[in-house]
Amino acid sequence: DAKTTQPPSMDCAEGRAANLPCNHSTISGNEYVYWYRQIHSQGPQYIIHGLKNNETNEMASLIITEDRKSSTLILPHATLRDTAVYYCIVRVAGGSQGNLIFGKGTKLSVKP
Amino acid sequence: GAGVSQSPRYKVAKRGQDVALRCDPISGHVSLFWYQQALGQGPEFLTYFQNEAQLDKSGLPSDRFFAERPEGSVSTLKIQRTQQEDSAVYLCASSEQFFGPGTRLTVL
Repeated sequence: DAKTTQPPSMDCAEGRAANLPCNHSTISGNEYVYWYRQIHSQGPQYIIHGLKNNETNEMASLIITEDRKSSTLILPHATLRDTAVYYCIVRVAGGSQGNLIFGKGTKLSVKP
Repeated sequence: GAGVSQSPRYKVAKRGQDVALRCDPISGHVSLFWYQQALGQGPEFLTYFQNEAQLDKSGLPSDRFFAERPEGSVSTLKIQRTQQEDSAVYLCASSEQFFGPGTRLTVL
């Protein structure tokens, strides 16, 4: 799987949008971008994934650049409960085609 | 229950003891993954099952680690002769999108 690069930490004010960047310059054509987060003392939680189009669900939006070499996860109105480590992962989707390769992620701190 | 459950949530073992960690995946889910997460690090893959078949065990760090899923549902990760470096959180995932809360293993 392609590797990803994320900033180690970010701060965000409560109620503001949190924009978490991820670089994946060696992504292959059949690899999706996945985002997970891990709140302290819990298991990772799936957030969203996409191939090349922007995606939105009830948790977040995913913006993927046209060349697919980078993406941004957007939490539109961050709350204190969004404080977590956010992982950007690229992999082939569908079925169970291999494990997830987590990096160190971005530790997002949402402050009041 | 609707989610993945793991037991025990916390386990303290003396060095050299054997431990068994249990994962109850979401009912009907075919794939099951085990990950190890050291303090301050992201989870690292250990092994993967499709039903009862262990299709990938490339991440198991040594032959002291053994996993099974005999009936294609509940899985057990066994660590023999535990060492201090085995101290970590062990995570189970059902169909890669659903993770359990993990078992925190501390080896003294």
